[in-house]
Amino acid sequence: GENVEQHPSTLSVQEGDSAVIKCTYSDSASNYFPWYKQELGKGPQLIIDIRSNVGEKKDQRIAVTLNKTAKHFSLHITETQPEDSAVYFCAASKAKTSYDKVIFGPGTSLSVIP
Amino acid sequence: EAQVTQNPRYLITVTGKKLTVTCSQNMNHEYMSWYRQDPGLGLRQIYYSMNVEVTDKGDVPEGYKVSRKEKRNFPLILESPSPNQTSLYFCASNHRGGFRNSPLHFGNGTRLTVT
Repeated sequence: GENVEQHPSTLSVQEGDSAVIKCTYSDSASNYFPWYKQELGKGPQLIIDIRSNVGEKKDQRIAVTLNKTAKHFSLHITETQPEDSAVYFCAASKAKTSYDKVIFGPGTSLSVIP
Repeated sequence: EAQVTQNPRYLITVTGKKLTVTCSQNMNHEYMSWYRQDPGLGLRQIYYSMNVEVTDKGDVPEGYKVSRKEKRNFPLILESPSPNQTSLYFCASNHRGGFRNSPLHFGNGTRLTVT
């Protein structure tokens, strides 16, 4: 089955610097890659996603890149702010009309130091 | 407001005492699921439901039961809790239809401690 690895497990950056989280997946049939942000005491919330027919997607300060050949994808946060401090999960799935299982990575705890 | 509501938020219980964690969504989503979150392991799926009266096992179903009698509710039942079920639990839901399924909406979690 699908396996998603995520690195690093913890990341500390100074406010204003960039943060990069990397994930790899094992199933070449996976075609949908969402990223979730989990703030303290809350459930994960989708922040950005990318489908396999796209190599890069941006939304203001966050961007995701996908390399299908290498089976890895990354989250980039620029100009980090204290409110970016959270746990981030990458995930992979094979989106289709029937049930598609979402497999999550182990998470990255990001701390942005003011 | 569109949301997934779990109760209780915190629960401390003893080994063997049956408990139920409730989950309700107000978005008319077909799909609901339960996850447990443990340090270093991420989110692992316990059970899921494609629609009313349709449930199936996820990756870690041992020791858990679920039911889906109504579309909006998906309770998680621990018939005889054990300490290894101490964890943070999340309920999630989304719309299923066509190629572009909607993102998962998560509740705020239930922290369970079994002593």
